[in-house]
Amino acid sequence: EAQVTQNPRYLITVTGKKLTVTCSQNMNHEYMSWYRQDPGLGLRQIYYSMNVEVTDKGDVPEGYKVSRKEKRNFPLILESPSPNQTSLYFCASSLSFGGQGISTNEKLFFGSGTQLSVL
Amino acid sequence: KQEVTQIPAALSVPEGENLVLNCSFTDSAIYNLQWFRQDPGKGLTSLLLIQSSQREQTSGRLNASLDKSSGRSTLYIAASQPGDSATYLCAVKNYGQNFVFGPGTRLSVLP
Repeated sequence: EAQVTQNPRYLITVTGKKLTVTCSQNMNHEYMSWYRQDPGLGLRQIYYSMNVEVTDKGDVPEGYKVSRKEKRNFPLILESPSPNQTSLYFCASSLSFGGQGISTNEKLFFGSGTQLSVL
Repeated sequence: KQEVTQIPAALSVPEGENLVLNCSFTDSAIYNLQWFRQDPGKGLTSLLLIQSSQREQTSGRLNASLDKSSGRSTLYIAASQPGDSATYLCAVKNYGQNFVFGPGTRLSVLP
């Protein structure tokens, strides 16, 4: 089944304890992205990657790191989590990013989300 | 910078009613637009993607239209059902840019 898999589904941690949220897709997608969703602020992009070893900042990258060593995986790393990073996190992927001329290749597939609480 | 708004923020209708959700965007030079459904605490599911060259897309009881000149898209849901209750988000993409999401419309369909 084609899907984007995030783990863990729920995570409670304490301030300063490094954590990684994993994201994996099995659709050979080039584009992957991380979002956070907060009440009243909607979905905001953290980081994105257009292909292996190519990553770039989104709108709210502070306090986060990512890597894209393999096409299928795009982990989100919080080196020193703080309470303001408590949020619902989503990973998403699409076949390609804009510019290849086929708009339908940009249909976004989302993971089920990771609810993170930083105490 | 592209900004996306959705009206209304919440909508409650009786089962069987036809309804329209609205999405507005400030920069009309879009590449494509997607409508998503989100159930509480869950991920987003893409419902329809409209390319900039298209006026509408249909999938079952859903029909999405696009009017770039006025900066608007609508999602029409025919014969609504309780299972349609969810939050509906639109996302707009300009060429070479990432998607910008609207805040969503929370829909409740009452049995």
